[in-house]
Parts: sequence; structure tokens; C-alpha cells
Amino acid sequence: GESVGLHLPTLSVQEGDNSIINCAYSNSASDYFIWYKQESGKGPQFIIDIRSNMDKRQGQRVTVLLNKTVKHLSLQIAATQPGDSAVYFCAEGQSGSARQLTFGSGTQLTVLP
Amino acid sequence: KAGVTQTPRYLIKTRGQQVTLSCSPISGHRSVSWYQQTPGQGLQFLFEYFSETQRNKGNFPGRFSGRQFSNSRSEMNVSTLELGDSALYLCASSLAFRPGAGNEQFFGPGTRLTVL
Repeated sequence: GESVGLHLPTLSVQEGDNSIINCAYSNSASDYFIWYKQESGKGPQFIIDIRSNMDKRQGQRVTVLLNKTVKHLSLQIAATQPGDSAVYFCAEGQSGSARQLTFGSGTQLTVLP
Repeated sequence: KAGVTQTPRYLIKTRGQQVTLSCSPISGHRSVSWYQQTPGQGLQFLFEYFSETQRNKGNFPGRFSGRQFSNSRSEMNVSTLELGDSALYLCASSLAFRPGAGNEQFFGPGTRLTVL
């Protein structure tokens, strides 16, 4: 079946640098994408979402980019902080149908002091 | 506003037993989804309830079932537990049952189930 996958399982960045987490999706029918952050011992926390009619969306210190041509999604975190250390998941869904989000495998982001 | 709560947080069962997990959504949220999270399979969708009706179901055996009450609280049940059922079970709530901007899912902390 189709699924969402992440390119890299781990990512280490220096505090203050920008982080880029990538995600590939294969379901061309997906039109809604979400990034979640999961800290140890907690449930996933919503970060930002984007609809397929957009290429870019910005939040507080985060930007999501969507490239529908190559079915690629990325999350950019500006000025990465120690509190950003977590596992980041992308998820895809279809807004016109009942919810069944498909999650990627996750990327462990570690912020180095 | 209180977040999604799940009880119990930790549970240990033996093979063959059954288990019931509980989820209380954010006040005002009517949709509750359940997910299973394991190191090998990641986050997998189990089912979603809205207005006491199951709206969608993932690819899990019939041993996994759920229900939703009139106050939107939800329970999931796993019967005849297997070792492979050991996982973190996450509940998420949202206002409505269709994904989209303005209808984000908010997750609870999960219930860690260990099957021995």
C-alpha cells in the first residue's frame, strides 16, 4: 500500500542552526499534510499543516514546504533550540474523505549544545 | 482547556487476556481517533469515532474494537492479547471527523501496554 516515509532516521544540528527534516509521500490523492513533534513519553504534538493548494506555509520558527511534483514535504526549523529535540513525523490525509492519516516513520532530531 | 486524557497510562497484561483503554477528548471535540505506535510499524491508524459512530477503520484484526459514548469519551478494547499487541496506544481528538485546516488532531499522552 501507499505510505509516507522519511528520508533520514536521525538528524543532529548545532543549537542556533536551522534544521530541515524531509518527508516523501506516495499517495497522489493526499491533499493535506501535517507535521507532528513527539517528545519522549508524550503523544505527538501538532506543529503545522499545509493543504495541497499551497507550496509553503510559515509558523512560529517553522516553515513547511510542499513539492507536489516530486511528492516531497519538508519542515524547516529556524534557530533550532534544545527544546526542539524530539521525533518529528509527517502525516498525510485526504480532506475530502473520512480521516485516516498515514504517518511517516519519524526523524529523531538532536540539538547539540 | 484540558487536553486529551488517557487512562491508564501503563498496563501490563498476559497473553490471552483482554484490555480496555479509555480516552477523554478535549471539551467540545466530537471526533476521537485511536492509533497504535510501535518501533517497528510506527504510528498506525486503528479507528475513528464521531457522534458515537465508527467512521473509519484501519487494517487491524477484529480483536481490536472501540466505542464512543454520548459525552464523546471513547474506549478501545483488545481481546485475546498477543505479544505483538505491546505498543503505545494513542488517542487523538478533533472537532470534526474530516481532516483539514482548522480541524487538527490533538493527541493524548498514550497508554503503554505491555503483553507478557
